[in-house]
Amino acid sequence: QKEVEQNSGPLSVPEGAIASLNCTYSDRGSQSFFWYRQYSGKSPELIMFIYSNGDKEDGRFTAQLNKASQYVSLLIRDSQPSDSATYLCAGDTGRRALTFGSGTRLQVQP
Amino acid sequence: GAGVSQSPRYKVAKRGQDVALRCDPISGHVSLFWYQQALGQGPEFLTYFQNEAQLDKSGLPSDRFFAERPEGSVSTLKIQRTQQEDSAVYLCASSLGGQFYGYTFGSGTRLTVV
Repeated sequence: QKEVEQNSGPLSVPEGAIASLNCTYSDRGSQSFFWYRQYSGKSPELIMFIYSNGDKEDGRFTAQLNKASQYVSLLIRDSQPSDSATYLCAGDTGRRALTFGSGTRLQVQP
Repeated sequence: GAGVSQSPRYKVAKRGQDVALRCDPISGHVSLFWYQQALGQGPEFLTYFQNEAQLDKSGLPSDRFFAERPEGSVSTLKIQRTQQEDSAVYLCASSLGGQFYGYTFGSGTRLTVV
């Protein structure tokens, strides 16, 4: 079992809909979680991070963390075709560096 | 600099050749990380520096891989006797004070071993 797990997708949503991306982690000691967006052929770009249980909102993005269920999610409201990318979930899984999931590919259909 | 700079952007190496990949982090960033990203996968941790000290090299896949950051700024990842399975994008990231701040990634070096 990987330390950070994501469904590879693709997740396909129509333009204007809410995209829900999910991630689970195995290390209960993990404290902080990060969502990165990666366009094809480009490097990952930090979107949001979350430390505390509950929701954190930033514009069209909401990160959710449930430490009891070891579950992290990213909601993208009013999805746009430009949101089409791979979304990487990462956590501090007990080592000095972040551990990344394999990523979920999101396709927003115009 | 304004961002994390990596060079070369692309590298084609013949199997058995040695390669050196360079990373110039954001000025003042204490922490520097190297990751390997295979096609369709997330970045996999290779090694971590805090200033010039290599604090974790547990992700280096073999003793053919070596990284250094002698003056606490620019870092070089060296791969000796490259093999086809080394083909990947090598990403460098820097952080102001460790993983809790998130990373800024460089553009990466795409290594192709033929």
